Amino acid sequence: AQSVTQLGSHVSVSEGALVLLRCNYSSSVPPYLFWYVQYPNQGLQLLLKYTTGATLVKGINGFEAEFKKSETSFHLTKPSAHMSDAAEYFCAVSVGAGNNRKLIWGLGTSLAVNP
Amino acid sequence: GAGVSQSPSNKVTEKGKDVELRCDPISGHTALYWYRQSLGQGLEFLIYFQGNSAPDKSGLPSDRFSAERTGGSVSTLTIQRTQQEDSAVYLCASSLASYYEQYFGPGTRLTVT
Repeated sequence: AQSVTQLGSHVSVSEGALVLLRCNYSSSVPPYLFWYVQYPNQGLQLLLKYTTGATLVKGINGFEAEFKKSETSFHLTKPSAHMSDAAEYFCAVSVGAGNNRKLIWGLGTSLAVNP
Repeated sequence: GAGVSQSPSNKVTEKGKDVELRCDPISGHTALYWYRQSLGQGLEFLIYFQGNSAPDKSGLPSDRFSAERTGGSVSTLTIQRTQQEDSAVYLCASSLASYYEQYFGPGTRLTVT
């Protein structure tokens, strides 16, 4: 069965430090991969996505993620954390074919940024 | 352009009452999804519509929950005889097709007292 694992339900970094949020998936077919962010009391917003092509994808707010097929990973990074990055981050994997594709969601990682 | 909208934004209801939650997807989006998010929890998939049909309703937690979509657009999620454990934020999302990225509405916060 397909699954998504986000390692670390809570991550805390200092302002200006590297942000690394981990996501591993299991899928028997090439997946589409997504990272979403949810700011407090708001809906989810797409940060970035991988479908095909270049495995390093850049998203909004300086975030990027790299699809590593051999490691079945899609970790999210940002070189320098800002206070405004404090939010909940969700990794999702789209599996299946055609109209039977569905998103499998990770449980989320809460990112805290300390001054 | 207009995003996904949901109404009401907040709903407080008494245990045992029925509630209807509404979702207006982005125009032209054929796929529509309902999720539930409890405090501090991840996303719980409820149901997926492609057009007006629901090929995947596997996430509906009980027969008190139902949803419909008309005209390939607006969707309503109905919870009958609400229970306190139904309290959560109900999120709606839409996408161009099932394999495209999903765009989320702001959610409806349901509180059952």
